[in-house]
Amino acid sequence: GENVEQHPSTLSVQEGDSAVIKCTYSDSASNYFPWYKQELGKRPQLIIDIRSNVGEKKDQRIAVTLNKTAKHFSLHITETQPEDSAVYFCAASSSSTGRRALTFGSGTRLQVQP
Amino acid sequence: DGGITQSPKYLFRKEGQNVTLSCEQNLNHDAMYWYRQDPGQGLRLIYYSQIVNDFQKGDIAEGYSVSREKKESFPLTVTSAQKNPTAFYLCASSDMGRETQYFGPGTRLLVL
Repeated sequence: GENVEQHPSTLSVQEGDSAVIKCTYSDSASNYFPWYKQELGKRPQLIIDIRSNVGEKKDQRIAVTLNKTAKHFSLHITETQPEDSAVYFCAASSSSTGRRALTFGSGTRLQVQP
Repeated sequence: DGGITQSPKYLFRKEGQNVTLSCEQNLNHDAMYWYRQDPGQGLRLIYYSQIVNDFQKGDIAEGYSVSREKKESFPLTVTSAQKNPTAFYLCASSDMGRETQYFGPGTRLLVL
C-alpha cells in the first residue's frame, strides 16, 4: 500500500519568512495530493490540493509543487503570519485502485514567531 | 465542512464496553470514511464506504465495526476488542468521482 513520509516534524519561522514542508510517497499510482491544516482540537481543513497532471499550483500565499518522477511534493507558504501556526498534513490517494481513501503523512507543526 | 456532523464531541468508554460514534452528512456525498488520530500523529484509515450497503476495511480495522444503511449516515462502533481506543476519531466524506474529502469536527474517545 501507499506510504507517505513528511518532513520536518516541527518548523519554527519568523513572521514574514517562508516555510516549506516536504512529503514523499511510495505508490507511483497515486495521483491526488491534498494538504490539510489542523488547529489544536479542530478538524483538518483542506488548504490546497494538486493532481498529477500539473506540476505546481498557487493560491495566494500558498503553493504546492509536485515531482512525479521523484515521487515528492512540497507545500510552500510565503509571508508567514502568526495565524499560519498549526499542524499541516500532506496526503496521497489513487483513483486507479478504487480505494480513494487518503494516506496521510505524520504532520508538521509550524510555529510562526511574531 | 459544515455539512458533516459527528456526535458526541466527547465519549467515555468503560472497559469491556462497546460504544458507537455517529457521523452524518447532508452533502449528498457517496463516499464516507473513518480515521483515527493519535496525539502527535497523522490520520489512519479505519473503514471506508463508497456506496450504501458496502464498506471496506482500512489499515487499522481490527476492533472496529461499521454499517452503511443510509447514504447520509456511517456510524462507527468501537468494540471491546479494541484494546487501545483512546484517540480522536474523524469522519470524512467525498463526492463520487472526486478525491477531495471534507472532515467532520471529530469525537474524542477516552477510556475510564
